[in-house]
Amino acid sequence: SAVISQKPSRDICQRGTSLTIQCQVDSQVTMMFWYRQQPGQSLTLIATANQGSEATYESGFVIDKFPISRPNLTFSTLTVSNMSPEDSSIYLCSVEDSSEAFFGQGTRLTVV
Amino acid sequence: EDQVTQSPEALRLQEGESSSLNCSYTVSGLRGLFWYRQDPGKGPEFLFTLYSAGEEKEKERLKATLTKKESFLHITAPKPEDSATYLCAVQPYLFSGGYNKLIFGAGTRLAVHP
Repeated sequence: SAVISQKPSRDICQRGTSLTIQCQVDSQVTMMFWYRQQPGQSLTLIATANQGSEATYESGFVIDKFPISRPNLTFSTLTVSNMSPEDSSIYLCSVEDSSEAFFGQGTRLTVV
Repeated sequence: EDQVTQSPEALRLQEGESSSLNCSYTVSGLRGLFWYRQDPGKGPEFLFTLYSAGEEKEKERLKATLTKKESFLHITAPKPEDSATYLCAVQPYLFSGGYNKLIFGAGTRLAVHP
């Protein structure tokens, strides 16, 4: 099974600033997924990140707000840009490995 | 539209009191149905993937079943350490091939009391 490490695990940020979240996987994977989990709610997919191509964003999410990098098959970053209190959420990266989908521990972001 | 509905929203059980969580879904074509456990402040922990109606999988006190419209997560003789939020997700089948996203339900918050 894939092991996913996310950094930072939590952060408190000022509105208007940006935060970059890192996701490292212990094996090579084709696709990585970024999800958001707002307080008390379930997970919503932000975008899918393929190595060597532009990320694919879901409805309601745009590249200017959530730029994603995927420089190799084991690493990805998600940036939350120009943050507002509404961006306070847990952000999770995920990969598929055979028939299982694994998640990192998440980054708990609070915007003040 | 692909959709997942979980019930109940919250469930309180006494230790040893068996019960079932429900996950109803509508999807154009089902590639897989996933069950996860999520503890507060942590990422979802993978439990099961089910692919076809009639399939069952077990892990310790948990058993997941799948029909064409819903899945059940049966918890037998639960213990307090089973307390968590249980998430169900469906993965629609991409007829053009490739992977597709997971669509999550809102989850069931389970509390097991001694």
